Amino acid sequence: GESVGLHLPTLSVQEGDNSIINCAYSNSASDYFIWYKQESGKGPQFIIDIRSNMDKRQGQRVTVLLNKTVKHLSLQIAATQPGDSAVYFCAENTRQNFVFGPGTRLSVLP
Amino acid sequence: SQTIHQWPATLVQPVGSPLSLECTVEGTSNPNLYWYRQAAGRGLQLLFYSVGIGQISSEVPQNLSASRPQDRQFILSSKKLLLSDSGFYLCAWSVWGSTEAFFGQGTRLTVV
Repeated sequence: GESVGLHLPTLSVQEGDNSIINCAYSNSASDYFIWYKQESGKGPQFIIDIRSNMDKRQGQRVTVLLNKTVKHLSLQIAATQPGDSAVYFCAENTRQNFVFGPGTRLSVLP
Repeated sequence: SQTIHQWPATLVQPVGSPLSLECTVEGTSNPNLYWYRQAAGRGLQLLFYSVGIGQISSEVPQNLSASRPQDRQFILSSKKLLLSDSGFYLCAWSVWGSTEAFFGQGTRLTVV
């Protein structure tokens, strides 16, 4: 079936550096693409979303980029902090369903 | 404000035993409700979703079933657990037209 997947399963970043987490998707009919953050032992939490007709959206320290030509989604975190250490999931939202990718673990090094 | 309650937090069950996980939502009406399973170190697999009382859609064939007896109650069940049913089960809710899903704290199920 159609799915959303990730290029990198793990990512280690120095504190203060920028992080880029990538995601590939296959369902072109998705209305929204969403990034979630999951800390250990907790449920995922919403970070930011982007509508399918946009190519960039910025939040607080985070930017999501959408490239529909190559079906690629990325999450950029500026000035990565220890509290950013978590697993990040991209997800697509179509007809009220949320389909999640396998996740990328972000480790922030001191 | 809206809250979601999911229990128990951890559960160890023998193979062949029944399962019942409960999820309730407060502070909203007619939510969409979801059950996801997360295997260790893996992504989230959608198991069931519901857009209303008694309306259940199953995403994957499996040993589990779901029910929605009340508007804000979603139950995940099994008659006989398998070892492969072990995992982290997450309940979530959203409202129609929203891109945000709100997750419970999860239930870590270990089938032994």
